[in-house]
Amino acid sequence: DAGVIQSPRHEVTEMGQEVTLRCKPISGHNSLFWYRQTMMRGLELLIYFNNNVPIDDSGMPEDRFSAKMPNASFSTLKIQPSEPRDSAVYFCASSKTEVSYEQYFGPGTRLTVT
Amino acid sequence: AQSVTQLGSHVSVSEGALVLLRCNYSSSVPPYLFWYVQYPNQGLQLLLKYTTGATLVKGINGFEAEFKKSETSFHLTKPSAHMSDAAEYFCAVSDRASGTYKYIFGTGTRLKVLA
Repeated sequence: DAGVIQSPRHEVTEMGQEVTLRCKPISGHNSLFWYRQTMMRGLELLIYFNNNVPIDDSGMPEDRFSAKMPNASFSTLKIQPSEPRDSAVYFCASSKTEVSYEQYFGPGTRLTVT
Repeated sequence: AQSVTQLGSHVSVSEGALVLLRCNYSSSVPPYLFWYVQYPNQGLQLLLKYTTGATLVKGINGFEAEFKKSETSFHLTKPSAHMSDAAEYFCAVSDRASGTYKYIFGTGTRLKVLA
């Protein structure tokens, strides 16, 4: 199994630009989670999908952030416009919730907004 | 509401010494508990989990944890620390009370292993 795949691994962009982060969950997994990790705030859940439907987006910081899951094998997290305070590592995780609750994390995308 | 508390944001042990990382939880329903490890510049990797059954669970890399309901604890231990164990460790509880599959994560404990 390839594990959770995230792209790009690193992204450097200027303030005001649009940023799109991508995630491919493990095949057969039906839940997908987007997290953000910073030194100041630790690990934060941004949004959670189950069977491609957003279940809880209470962690999305503001309207500049949006996430989609058009099918079971792909999700995007978009920031528009980006700001320096969005600089963080963004993780995607997936799980097969009917079997167990364990989440499998991708390697993360390190975003730097200058 | 469910919550997780990790005591000690930084723990240092000598190589070969016992590793003990503390995790206490609060849950209104029988908890599902997890320990994850994060090595520098990597994602989180599952070390071990407790859902039901045996309260002493063994994980990868020689780690184990014991679920103690009376103490609401799920401390992580390893008999003998190795230099490669230096990493950040996160305890998590599944937010089953909300009917979702979300995790509530602790704030993490950074383990340093001294030669």
